[in-house]
Amino acid sequence: QVQLVESGGGLVKPGGSLRLSCAASGFTFSDYYVSWIRQAPGKGLEWLSYISRSGSSTYYADSVKGRFTISRDNAKNSLFLQMSSLSAEDTAVYYCARVDTAIEYFDSWGQGTLVTVSS
Amino acid sequence: SYEVTQSLSVSVALGQPARITCGGDNIGGKNVHWYQQKAGQAPVLVIYRDYNRPSGIPERFSGSNSGNTATLTISTAQVGDEAGYFCQVWDSNTAVFGGGTKLTVL
Repeated sequence: QVQLVESGGGLVKPGGSLRLSCAASGFTFSDYYVSWIRQAPGKGLEWLSYISRSGSSTYYADSVKGRFTISRDNAKNSLFLQMSSLSAEDTAVYYCARVDTAIEYFDSWGQGTLVTVSS
Repeated sequence: SYEVTQSLSVSVALGQPARITCGGDNIGGKNVHWYQQKAGQAPVLVIYRDYNRPSGIPERFSGSNSGNTATLTISTAQVGDEAGYFCQVWDSNTAVFGGGTKLTVL
């Protein structure tokens, strides 16, 4: 049973930083690309970033490039998102998702962690 | 950058077919994937590569893709199908989501 569990969300002040984690289980983590996707309250899904199996390649949406950094630790079956220079527009539920082996779609999702940016 | 568009909402009578569309320039040349998101829950993949159903997804869910429109069809809509539905494509190393369609079953 594939399982992805996000953590690290919470309330942060504008301009602040936060690090999200995603613990993976039920599959060979190092065999898959993984991704972060967010959803602002009442809004649609926004893809943010993904990382290759080894972590050597990373890709970002323009909206977060230079502010967010994706990384992974295959030994610990964990995915991370380091977020900085946060603003109210970054308030959202953040999901980690497994990318299919052809790197086309997201076949498993975590339950998400809420990040609220407010003073 | 590539864009995909969806209608904000679709309503359908119980037991009738529901069709949710996803528009984009020559989207028929891309693989389209669909996600269902019920209130307060994470998205779930319901169709991948235009028309394939993951295991566990009911047969009443189907998909097609041609020209400038991809379509998710629910053959006989159930109350439990009320949800948001999002299409997604992959373009130039980025994932692109449609804005989502809220399906209401009357």
